[in-house]
Amino acid sequence: GAVVSQHPSWVICKSGTSVKIECRSLDFQATTMFWYRQFPKQSLMLMATSNEGSKATYEQGVEKDKFLINHASLTLSTLTVTSAHPEDSSFYICSAKRWAGGNGQNPLVTQYFGPGTRLLVL
Amino acid sequence: GEDVEQSLFLSVREGDSSVINCTYTDSSSTYLYWYKQEPGAGLQLLTYIFSNMDMKQDQRLTVLLNKKDKHLSLRIADTQTGDSAIYFCAESIRGSQGNLIFGKGTKLSVKP
Repeated sequence: GAVVSQHPSWVICKSGTSVKIECRSLDFQATTMFWYRQFPKQSLMLMATSNEGSKATYEQGVEKDKFLINHASLTLSTLTVTSAHPEDSSFYICSAKRWAGGNGQNPLVTQYFGPGTRLLVL
Repeated sequence: GEDVEQSLFLSVREGDSSVINCTYTDSSSTYLYWYKQEPGAGLQLLTYIFSNMDMKQDQRLTVLLNKKDKHLSLRIADTQTGDSAIYFCAESIRGSQGNLIFGKGTKLSVKP
């Protein structure tokens, strides 16, 4: 199957600093990647859709100036948490969209997920 | 609007079958997916089914789709302790460019 990596796998930082998380599709090109945040009670929250070569699309309630997304190549998207605060502590997961078959009217599209990044802000 | 619902918890004994259920609201779903998340890890695509199919089997996994009732289930035969994880149901809506709508996940606990 397709492989998506994330780096770092975990990070501890001081309040007020910025943290960058990388998401890479290792064996396929991804024009679209997604960033999720997962809360302790397990539900996934889609934060934004990252499109290669264009601005990210943010979900309602997600501050785009706080969560900066850059998708500069077909295999790399980055999420930067700026001026991090303890309430930003969470598990951040990225995924990369891949066309896997189907037909023009019913394309089979799957998302392949990275292993996640655990962020702890002190 | 689009919504995917799952029960949050399921507990079974090792060797039994597990059935995880999911309901969705959008009748224009094209594909439906099951993902597995082990503790501290990302989501792994387990299987998917096209909306015009009723059933798909893959080794110990059986996916059943009732399109009329908008009900999807994942059956795991001979459940093992290694199957303990969170299982997410997801749907892809026609015209959505393949973006997925996820349920909140069902935490499966397998007791020896």
